[in-house]
Formats: sequence, C-alpha cells, structure tokens
Amino acid sequence: DIQMTQSPSSLSASVGDRVTITCQASQDISNYLNWYQQKPGKAPKLLIYYASNLETGVPSRFSGSGSGTDFTFTIRSLQPEDVATYYCQHFDSLPPTFGPGTKVDIK
Amino acid sequence: EVQLLESGGNLVQPGGSLRLSCAASGFTFSSYAMSWVRQAPGKGLEWVSAISGIGSGGTTYYADFVKGRFTTSRDNSEKMLYLQMDSLSAEDTAIYYCAKARGQLELSDFDKWGQGTLVAVSS
Repeated sequence: DIQMTQSPSSLSASVGDRVTITCQASQDISNYLNWYQQKPGKAPKLLIYYASNLETGVPSRFSGSGSGTDFTFTIRSLQPEDVATYYCQHFDSLPPTFGPGTKVDIK
Repeated sequence: EVQLLESGGNLVQPGGSLRLSCAASGFTFSSYAMSWVRQAPGKGLEWVSAISGIGSGGTTYYADFVKGRFTTSRDNSEKMLYLQMDSLSAEDTAIYYCAKARGQLELSDFDKWGQGTLVAVSS
C-alpha cells in the first residue's frame, strides 16, 4: 500500500496569512492526488483534484501543486471559515489511502 | 443537486451484522463508481470499499481489513448503495460515509459525500 504523510499535523495562523501544507507519498503517484477539507462534525469536502485542479465552487484562495511524491496545498489568505482539518488522498492504486490530516485553526 | 443520504448505523454487539444504505439522487447513479469511507472517533479517513459504475462492470473492491466480512452492492434502478457488514468488532466503530467518484472507475477523487452514519460496536 502507498503511505501518505502530511506536515505539519496542526498549525495556527492569523487571518490573512498564507498557509502551506505538504503531503508526501511513499512512491511515485504522478498527479493522482486530491485534497479535502473537513470541518468539525461535517463530511469531507473535495477542494483540489489531480493535484492542482480546483473543484467547482471552491474559492480561488485554495490551490494545490506537485507531482511524483511531493505535493503542496496552499491557502493564499486564511479566512475564519477555513478552520478545518485538511486531508490529502492518493488514487494511484488500490487502496486509495488518505494522509493523517492537518488541523488548521486561527491564532 | 447531488445528494447522498446514508442510513442504517446503529449500536451492535461484537460479532454482529449491520447493513448500511446510501440513497443517491441528482445524478445518473449507475454511471459512477461509489465508495464507502469510514472515520473512527477522533481519527482520520479510511477507505473501506468501492464499486465501479455499470460501464466498468460494477466490480467491487475492498480494503484488506474488511475482506471477507463486508460486502458492497448497488441497486442502480433504485439508486441505492449498500454495505453489508458481518463479524463486526470494536475496531469497526466509526462514522461510515458513502462517497461518489468523479467517473466510472473505482480510483478517483470523491467529489460528493453523504453526511455519514454512525456504527458503534460494543457489548
């Protein structure tokens, strides 16, 4: 199975700050990488698919990049409503595993 | 509007069985792969099972930790997804989400999710 790691595991930033989360795969997954946002008590929501494609309706302050084994997720200007846990997920092969998550809150 | 509504979660004793359902609406259900993803209390997301769309044969796939115990099926005429869970253990305690894939294939992003249904395994 492909293992996904994320860093940091949590972060605290101010409104308006640029926030960056990294995700690393244990082997080359090309661009088969998605990012999800999960707010407390809610279902996950797809933000980014195929590493860098913004899902319809998702604000443009969210972006993703990377390929191979190293990926980055960025919130350009953190907003109060972005408080959530963010997960990366690969879909290169079965099983499609998720990273452990990065919890983002407001300083 | 795409909607997914899970049901069937409950408290069950170890070794017991449970059947989860997911009612889909707002899209051509048969054309899309569907998955079950679970989340243990306070933990991360874990893929459980998938079933491909009708064009890919409706093939089922399972995580190793549920193989032989869980069975995924779909009724395309009723737009329903099911997860039959047998030989349940405490480690299966989680919120179970159904999730829609972007296309026919089981390997995809999950572009829509249900609200989840809680399965608690305890004596």
